[in-house]
Amino acid sequence: DVKVTQSSRYLVKRTGEKVFLECVQDMDHENMFWYRQDPGLGLRLIYFSYDVKMKEKGDIPEGYSVSREKKERFSLILESASTNQTSMYLCASSNRFSSAFFGQGTRLTVV
Amino acid sequence: GESVGLHLPTLSVQEGDNSIINCAYSNSASDYFIWYKQESGKGPQFIIDIRSNMDKRQGQRVTVLLNKTVKHLSLQIAATQPGDSAVYFCAEIGLYNAGNMLTFGGGTRLMVKP
Repeated sequence: DVKVTQSSRYLVKRTGEKVFLECVQDMDHENMFWYRQDPGLGLRLIYFSYDVKMKEKGDIPEGYSVSREKKERFSLILESASTNQTSMYLCASSNRFSSAFFGQGTRLTVV
Repeated sequence: GESVGLHLPTLSVQEGDNSIINCAYSNSASDYFIWYKQESGKGPQFIIDIRSNMDKRQGQRVTVLLNKTVKHLSLQIAATQPGDSAVYFCAEIGLYNAGNMLTFGGGTRLMVKP
């Protein structure tokens, strides 16, 4: 069974905190993605990575950074959390020419 | 830019009927097309995919049809059940630099009436 695991289902953080969201996949996939999902706005790509230490900006990278030091792990970092970053965050992974699979999501609330 | 979109935001069907959810895409170079089901508070769940060199693929109660001529994708659910109620997303995978980009449509909500 394919497995993409996000470290937390729910998180509550304070404005200005540095926040780390972790994602691990066990399928040896090259590509990993971070999305945020908000009501009425669908899934929006924040960053993706197609190899270790490689990253590409998505549609809404502002206020976020990422780290991919190992193939199986892709971290999303909120350098200084703000209330407008309250959202559901979804991680996905895929191989070239294969389908993508998602984690269960992290619902982040910034207060 | 390239985009994947859906024709209908909400689809209401009677339990036992067949459901058809449609999707239009614009990137003719995409390699894979995928349908996901998302229930409230959960991550998208893979349902079925189809490669760009195929026209049809069947799974358990689901069929995906790909019409490359008009860049149209559809998901057919046979004998729709209450448990099928969810938001359905289509997505496409295309080459982007050395990797592949996953692009989503806006989603269609399927409501199954008992």
